[in-house]
Amino acid sequence: DADVTQTPRNRITKTGKRIMLECSQTKGHDRMYWYRQDPGLGLRLIYYSFDVKDINKGEISDGYSVSRQAQAKFSLSLESAIPNQTALYFCATSDSGTAPYEQYFGPGTRLTVT
Amino acid sequence: QKEVEQNSGPLSVPEGAIASLNCTYSDRGSQSFFWYRQYSGKSPELIMSIYSNGDKEDGRFTAQLNKASQYVSLLIRDSQPSDSATYLCAVNIAPGPNAGNNRKLIWGLGTSLAVNP
Repeated sequence: DADVTQTPRNRITKTGKRIMLECSQTKGHDRMYWYRQDPGLGLRLIYYSFDVKDINKGEISDGYSVSRQAQAKFSLSLESAIPNQTALYFCATSDSGTAPYEQYFGPGTRLTVT
Repeated sequence: QKEVEQNSGPLSVPEGAIASLNCTYSDRGSQSFFWYRQYSGKSPELIMSIYSNGDKEDGRFTAQLNKASQYVSLLIRDSQPSDSATYLCAVNIAPGPNAGNNRKLIWGLGTSLAVNP
């Protein structure tokens, strides 16, 4: 029973398509994050949300948007996918009340844009 | 200077040896330090957190923090082939001189560890 789940786990899409990656958590954490990981570039923060009404851009938000539908759900959208958005995408959560910087990751979504 | 730096490796150690992984960071005000393990194609998994100077032990893992020298290390005793992975260091850092308490978790690029049977 995974605490942080991501759907889909793998996705192949074409340039120009709009796609949504979804993240759900049962950890009861208030903070949620979206990262992408590329070989040699490490983890890069796309967006983060400290609660349902607080959404912030990370270091590479261009071309992406997010929605925090509930405390447990945080979705990432690619408005018009392009090949350089091919990457491994991770959702993560943390609890501001106990360990605000201690992040727990979902299993990831491997996205390929052709 | 990069905010969080790690040697990329690969670090190769024989089975049963001690693996030593190091991380340096730029912000003297940082207070939260983490080590994550990541297997190829998988998500990062938190293995150690440390908040105070000194050593923290958990099983075969020991995290060491030296705030004066701005480094944090991870020791893996009795290394096993299953420890072969990339180890990521993460530190809460205030990005820029005017960031105040607006800290973010900054990630190193990771050190690749190979434990040879």
